[in-house]
Amino acid sequence: DAKTTQPPSMDCAEGRAANLPCNHSTISGNEYVYWYRQIHSQGPQYIIHGLKNNETNEMASLIITEDRKSSTLILPHATLRDTAVYYCIVRVGLGNTPLVFGKGTRLSVIA
Amino acid sequence: DAGVTQSPTHLIKTRGQQVTLRCSPKSGHDTVSWYQQALGQGPQFIFQYYEEEERQRGNFPDRFSGHQFPNYSSELNVNALLLGDSALYLCASSWRQDGRYEQYFGPGTRLTVT
Repeated sequence: DAKTTQPPSMDCAEGRAANLPCNHSTISGNEYVYWYRQIHSQGPQYIIHGLKNNETNEMASLIITEDRKSSTLILPHATLRDTAVYYCIVRVGLGNTPLVFGKGTRLSVIA
Repeated sequence: DAGVTQSPTHLIKTRGQQVTLRCSPKSGHDTVSWYQQALGQGPQFIFQYYEEEERQRGNFPDRFSGHQFPNYSSELNVNALLLGDSALYLCASSWRQDGRYEQYFGPGTRLTVT
């Protein structure tokens, strides 16, 4: 079973920041937080991952709380193409372990 | 780079039949994982192949089997199809880069069992 809890859906106005929360209160010290997204009719796409420090790449920022029990994915300027289901995943280490998906958050970006 | 490719795109089968789905990994990737995604759910891990052997397996019955070829491509076979096997089947490939693995997913094969 997935070790994360996410809201089922969220809306965001185009051009505004989208902040997607994720709870992972039982996370262990060697587990990373990963984010993937799935645009309709496509396979999931890797976004970002982190252990305990905040991370940023060209797609998004990941903010992890100091106790590591929750995190927030930030899309700084959401566009209509960011409409997708976003999955927060807790994964042991950086190895080739399977991804355990929950139901994710369906983000709708509205013009 | 073509990325991960899967065939066929869509497939309709009848209960009791057998099906084979195919996956070509991203160039340079040596590991292939298969996932099943039912409508409205997140993907569920079926199994993973590396060096032509099944390395990890999720909670799926033996009706689900696979194979990996020397060129790293892979097949997923499902025997005695049930209505509940209707789903999107996703293939993901990966390899070790900079000490970590990232899984790159294909577009999936939509299987409908009638």
